[in-house]
Amino acid sequence: DGGITQSPKYLFRKEGQNVTLSCEQNLNHDAMYWYRQDPGQGLRLIYYSQIVNDFQKGDIAEGYSVSREKKESFPLTVTSAQKNPTAFYLCASTRGYSGANVLTFGAGSRLTVL
Amino acid sequence: AQSVSQHNHHVILSEAASLELGCNYSYGGTVNLFWYVQYPGQHLQLLLKYFSGDPLVKGIKGFEAEFIKSKFSFNLRKPSVQWSDTAEYFCAAWGWGKFQFGAGTQVVVTP
Repeated sequence: DGGITQSPKYLFRKEGQNVTLSCEQNLNHDAMYWYRQDPGQGLRLIYYSQIVNDFQKGDIAEGYSVSREKKESFPLTVTSAQKNPTAFYLCASTRGYSGANVLTFGAGSRLTVL
Repeated sequence: AQSVSQHNHHVILSEAASLELGCNYSYGGTVNLFWYVQYPGQHLQLLLKYFSGDPLVKGIKGFEAEFIKSKFSFNLRKPSVQWSDTAEYFCAAWGWGKFQFGAGTQVVVTP
């Protein structure tokens, strides 16, 4: 079955460490997204990529970085510059980058900074 | 500012009660509207969507939503909820060149 695989599901990090969250899709979708989900704040866009080798900052990109070297992969690095990294991170994809598409989500990665 | 607002953060109701969740967006142009649902332990998934045409749209599991352009609203309804409808519900819109989500409404249905 096609879908999005995120790993790890749970991750603990010490302050000052960078951590990379994996996102892989086998849907042949062009566009991929990273969202951060915090209680009472909904989903906030961190980064998105419309196509391979291209990505743009979302609403809360500070302290995060991404790459899009392959169509199926869109890893997110949470750097030590992110002031409040403890959160639930969701990766999503769409066939194309437009509002006529429906987001497909992964199961999420929960990051806890100790 | 561009935004999607959901009126209630938490809703508790009994089985067989009717459910209505409010959603408003702030965008004067054409929008595409969505409701997503996150059941406990499951992926976020699409409940229903509105792009154009009949403003009353039907989704999965007996849910429906009505687009009222004059009120910038896209409220979600279900006439009779079940315990299995316990979930977090997110309204989303595309109208600013990106998807924008509301804060979510946690719905708890008691037996």
